[in-house]
Amino acid sequence: QKEVEQDPGPLSVPEGAIVSLNCTYSNSAFQYFMWYRQYSRKGPELLMYTYSSGNKEDGRFTAQVDKSSKYISLFIRDSQPSDSATYLCATDYGGATNKLIFGTGTLLAVQP
Amino acid sequence: DVKVTQSSRYLVKRTGEKVFLECVQDMDHENMFWYRQDPGLGLRLIYFSYDVKMKEKGDIPEGYSVSREKKERFSLILESASTNQTSMYLCASSLSGTGTAFFGQGTRLTVV
Repeated sequence: QKEVEQDPGPLSVPEGAIVSLNCTYSNSAFQYFMWYRQYSRKGPELLMYTYSSGNKEDGRFTAQVDKSSKYISLFIRDSQPSDSATYLCATDYGGATNKLIFGTGTLLAVQP
Repeated sequence: DVKVTQSSRYLVKRTGEKVFLECVQDMDHENMFWYRQDPGLGLRLIYFSYDVKMKEKGDIPEGYSVSREKKERFSLILESASTNQTSMYLCASSLSGTGTAFFGQGTRLTVV
């Protein structure tokens, strides 16, 4: 079993839709949870970062962590064509070396 | 803003060549990482370094070596390039204990 599982998609939605992206993880020791956005042929950029359980909101983006069910979610409200990208979830034990463990990524396409 | 700079965006090398990929970060981060990214496999950690001259193997170190002589610079070396090393290579850096990493733009390496 992979430590972080993510549906690869692709996910296609119309502009303005609410998007829900999800990951599950297997190790309850993970403390940090991240979402990265990666445009085609570019490096991943950090989008959201959450420590432990709870919600975090930044503009149209909301990250949610449920440690009891080992479930990580990213919600995008009022999705835009510019949101079309691959979204990667990542987790970390929280040690000094920050050795992140990534999901395989979900490809999102927002249709105008 | 954190900046992680990879020396080349695209490289084409011949089988058997020794290949150097360079990465520089400007935020005084202790940790630096090299990943490769392949379709369907996600990001896989090759090597990481938590201090100058310190290195640890990641999940797929075979065929690679690294060098970290200065805090800001982390080099990935392909000792004898092979076609199965054709991939997107991503460098990242992070501050210890923060649970996040920042990525460069990536180097698309093709070995022919």
